[in-house]
Amino acid sequence: EVQLVESGGGLVQPGSSLKLSCVASGFTFSSYNMHWIRQAPKKGLEWIALIYYDSSNKYYADSVKGRFTISRDNSKNTLYLEMNSLRSEDTAMYYCAKGFAYWGQGTLVTVSS
Amino acid sequence: DIQMTQSPSFLSASVGDRVTINCKASQNINKYLNWYQQKLGEAPKLLIYNTNNLQTGIPSRFSGSGSGTDYTLTISSLQPEDVATYFCLQHSSRTFGGGTKLELK
Repeated sequence: EVQLVESGGGLVQPGSSLKLSCVASGFTFSSYNMHWIRQAPKKGLEWIALIYYDSSNKYYADSVKGRFTISRDNSKNTLYLEMNSLRSEDTAMYYCAKGFAYWGQGTLVTVSS
Repeated sequence: DIQMTQSPSFLSASVGDRVTINCKASQNINKYLNWYQQKLGEAPKLLIYNTNNLQTGIPSRFSGSGSGTDYTLTISSLQPEDVATYFCLQHSSRTFGGGTKLELK
């Protein structure tokens, strides 16, 4: 059974940094492209980052380019999202996803002073 | 960027009703469209991939259709457990529809 478990969210001040993790199980993690997707409160979904299975390519939404970094450690079956210079508009539930087929339960990031 | 316009944003229907939800793309998306169901407090669940392919384990009352710029999710006979928010994803350039909140009448 595919499982994706996100962690690392929390309440942070504007301008600060946070690193999210997503631990994968139930599939060969190193064979799949992975995404981060977020959903702001009472808003729609926004794709924010993609990393290829071998980390050879990374893509970002314009809204996070230059501030967020996606990475992975295939030896640990773990996906990461390093978030810098956080803004109030980054407040959202952050989901990791295997391709677009399976999603984790999400981790909540709140950026507020 | 390709924009996805989903309608309606809110839908109220009775058990047994046929329900349709639409997504319109700003340009041809060549059937690269998925449909998801999200219940309150849960992760989104893939229902339909590439326009009309039913994900494993999803009831056959769910179906998808469309081509070009216009796509539809159909629930043939609404069940109480179908109360959720539904959204589409154009997965080529990774753009989501705005979502449809489905409630029971």
